[in-house]
Amino acid sequence: NAGVMQNPRHLVRRRGQEARLRCSPMKGHSHVYWYRQLPEEGLKFMVYLQKENIIDESGMPKERFSAEFPKEGPSILRIQQVVRGDSAAYFCASSPQTGAGDTQYFGPGTRLTVL
Amino acid sequence: AQTVTQSQPEMSVQEAETVTLSCTYDTSENNYYLFWYKQPPSRQMILVIRQEAYKQQNATENRFSVNFQKAAKSFSLKISDSQLGDTAMYFCAFMKSGGSNYKLTFGKGTLLTVNP
Repeated sequence: NAGVMQNPRHLVRRRGQEARLRCSPMKGHSHVYWYRQLPEEGLKFMVYLQKENIIDESGMPKERFSAEFPKEGPSILRIQQVVRGDSAAYFCASSPQTGAGDTQYFGPGTRLTVL
Repeated sequence: AQTVTQSQPEMSVQEAETVTLSCTYDTSENNYYLFWYKQPPSRQMILVIRQEAYKQQNATENRFSVNFQKAAKSFSLKISDSQLGDTAMYFCAFMKSGGSNYKLTFGKGTLLTVNP
């Protein structure tokens, strides 16, 4: 059973460009979470999605960031007009169901570098 | 809001010895879940162990065990017979229980180095 897949693993963008990060959850999982890890920090929650629904985006910056999880295909985290402060590792996690402390399984992360 | 504190930024241990990583948390909740995740140099986040707060028995997974002290809000991780492959950053994490609670709150991590 393949784990959570993320691509690309490394992404380099210049300031002002767009970054698209993809996440395919584990088979049978319909809940996706995105976290951001800044250097020397723990992971911080950004957004929680189910198929075609954003459930909670309270951790996501209001501007330039968006996320989706379409009926078909991977979840996408999109960052428009990237700035140097967006440089971080972005992790996706998935779970089969939510609530009751359901364990979240993480992908390998995408390391975004903004020049 | 919940907070998770890992007071040891770095630790080291000799191969085959035992090491304990500390974690404390602050919450007003009575029911919740606690996790330890490992992040080796590959940066992959790997679940090590989880504990339900309503369970008094400490969770164990092979060489990994926890000492869960609910009253003290402490959740330490013990690694027995340390191996070189245990070298990693270890994160303690908290999740509220029930309803639509799903956010993991992480500590800043402890970098563990296992020396040969």
